[in-house]
Amino acid sequence: SQQGEEDPQALSIQEGENATMNCSYKTSINNLQWYRQNSGRGLVHLILIRSNEREKHSGRLRVTLDTSKKSSSLLITASRAADTASYFCATDPIQGAQKLVFGQGTRLTINP
Amino acid sequence: NAGVTQTPKFRVLKTGQSMTLLCAQDMNHEYMYWYRQDPGMGLRLIHYSVGEGTTAKGEVPDGYNVSRLKKQNFLLGLESAAPSQTSVYFCASSRHVGGAGQPQHFGDGTRLSIL
Repeated sequence: SQQGEEDPQALSIQEGENATMNCSYKTSINNLQWYRQNSGRGLVHLILIRSNEREKHSGRLRVTLDTSKKSSSLLITASRAADTASYFCATDPIQGAQKLVFGQGTRLTINP
Repeated sequence: NAGVTQTPKFRVLKTGQSMTLLCAQDMNHEYMYWYRQDPGMGLRLIHYSVGEGTTAKGEVPDGYNVSRLKKQNFLLGLESAAPSQTSVYFCASSRHVGGAGQPQHFGDGTRLSIL
């Protein structure tokens, strides 16, 4: 069974707006990772946040982690058409032997 | 630097046929994984390997076998293909650093249809 649940399942915004995606999980984790998947391609790692971190930035990406609520969010600022993709959170459970558990993903569409 | 390469990219099989999917990585990663991706289901782990000569079952291993005879290669086999195995298959690899997870590097997938 999948641990991560993402919300919303689909999001459509105008170019230049910010996009926020949320991920909830069930068990204790070592870290949480976010990936992007363009249509017809493999997943690309975006950012990793460890369980003792609360916020992390990478360019236009901002990730937060609340271990007490077992949730994370990914914020993409000043969105671009090239950000159109599916975004997945993946948790690394403490007893998971480095086996990531992926959510079902959020389909993000940036309208020009 | 090719990263993770999957072969073939597309394949159509008839029910009962067998085939092997090949994954090759050139990053000297210890860990390798096979996932399947179905609409609305995200990625599900089939089998994984923590090093050359080792394999272990993931979430959905039934109907699949794997082998890792060389560190850089991880093979996924379907002995008798079933329509339920129609899916997109992804291979990934990662480094082993202590006990904590590392980013996984993915290939571009094999699109497999079973008729």
